[in-house]
Amino acid sequence: EVQLVESGGGSVRPGESLRLSCAASGFAFRTYWMTWVRQAPGKGLEFVANMDQDGSQRYYVDSVRGRFTISRDNAKDLLFLQMNSLTAEDTAVYYCARGSPITGVSWGQGNLVTVSS
Amino acid sequence: EIVLTQSPGTLSLSPGERATLSCRASEGVSGNYVAWYQQKPGQAPRLLIYGASSRAPGIPDRFSGSGSGTDFTFTISRLEPEDSAVYYCHQYVSTVWTFGQGTKVQIK
Repeated sequence: EVQLVESGGGSVRPGESLRLSCAASGFAFRTYWMTWVRQAPGKGLEFVANMDQDGSQRYYVDSVRGRFTISRDNAKDLLFLQMNSLTAEDTAVYYCARGSPITGVSWGQGNLVTVSS
Repeated sequence: EIVLTQSPGTLSLSPGERATLSCRASEGVSGNYVAWYQQKPGQAPRLLIYGASSRAPGIPDRFSGSGSGTDFTFTISRLEPEDSAVYYCHQYVSTVWTFGQGTKVQIK
């Protein structure tokens, strides 16, 4: 069974940094693109970033490009999202997700990031 | 970027009625890599349909999806009270995923 478990969220002040982790299990992590999606309070779902299997391709939504960095450790089945220069607009639940043409999309349970002074 | 537009914004129906939700893409979604989710307050999205028409494991058969190209439809054949939620469509064919804005289904 595919499992994705996020951690590392919390409350920070504007301008501070936070690193999210996503522990994957139940599938061959190193063979999949992985994605971060977020959902601000009361809003819809928004793509944040994704990367290919070896990190040679990475994509970001315009609002986080240059501040957030997605990375992965294929030896430990871990996905990361380093978030710098956080603003109130980054307040959201962050989900890691895996897409598959065979089984659809699997999601973690989400991790709340709150940016407030 | 593929823009997904869902309609209607809100649907208010009685138990036992049929709910039909639409998702229109700004360009064709090759391979019909469209998913539908149910989301209740405080919960993660729950995958209902993937590949436009395949039900995820454990999903009741009153939930169904259809469509291809740019027009996709999600149907709940007989509404139950627990179906009250926001439903999102999602395309995962392109490198940058996009989502519809959601349809809120209210049970009278």
